[in-house]
Amino acid sequence: EPEVTQTPSHQVTQMGQEVILRCVPISNHLYFYWYRQILGQKVEFLVSFYNNEISEKSEIFDDQFSVERPDGSNFTLKIRSTKLEDSAMYFCASSPFQETQYFGPGTRLLVL
Amino acid sequence: GDSVTQMEGPVTLSEEACLTINCTYTATGYPSLFWYVQYPGEGLQLLLKATKADDKGSNKGFEATYRKETTSFHLEKGSVQVSDSAVYFCALSPSGGYQKVTFGTGTKLQVIP
Repeated sequence: EPEVTQTPSHQVTQMGQEVILRCVPISNHLYFYWYRQILGQKVEFLVSFYNNEISEKSEIFDDQFSVERPDGSNFTLKIRSTKLEDSAMYFCASSPFQETQYFGPGTRLLVL
Repeated sequence: GDSVTQMEGPVTLSEEACLTINCTYTATGYPSLFWYVQYPGEGLQLLLKATKADDKGSNKGFEATYRKETTSFHLEKGSVQVSDSAVYFCALSPSGGYQKVTFGTGTKLQVIP
């Protein structure tokens, strides 16, 4: 069964550094998403992406965040200047047209 | 805005006990409803879903019925196993499921032998 994959599984970075989290959505899916889960808290929506542009974003998704689909298979989340409070599990998800979202295994980001 | 409220955990049950995790929601229109499960150290997996009123989603012995009159989507299982130990998230998405998913806070289930 096709799966959403994410790399790396864990990333440790210093405050102020840039990080790029990578995702490979399921191949025939059209919608792509990023969510995050701060340890012990609920999963929160960050951004959705369709047809090469952001379709919706939350108030969390400020100017330090950006998303990109650099080629036909990858979907990336960039955090320009990481803060301590960016430490979280980041989940990528994808969905076919108007269908259920399928989530990847997550990238655990630790900002020191 | 949309919101999901689910019962606080952790819930500790003995193997073969019955499970109910309560979930209620607030949303406009007719959202799709989901239960996701997160096993220790793993990501989110879709457990079951229902897309319209009175639909019953089921998978791996778990069931949940979309009750529009009570805005609820309670998760049930008749006989839990140790392997069911995980965190369970109730969630909703506006009709179609391709819009953002709003999650509840999660309920941790621990099943002891």
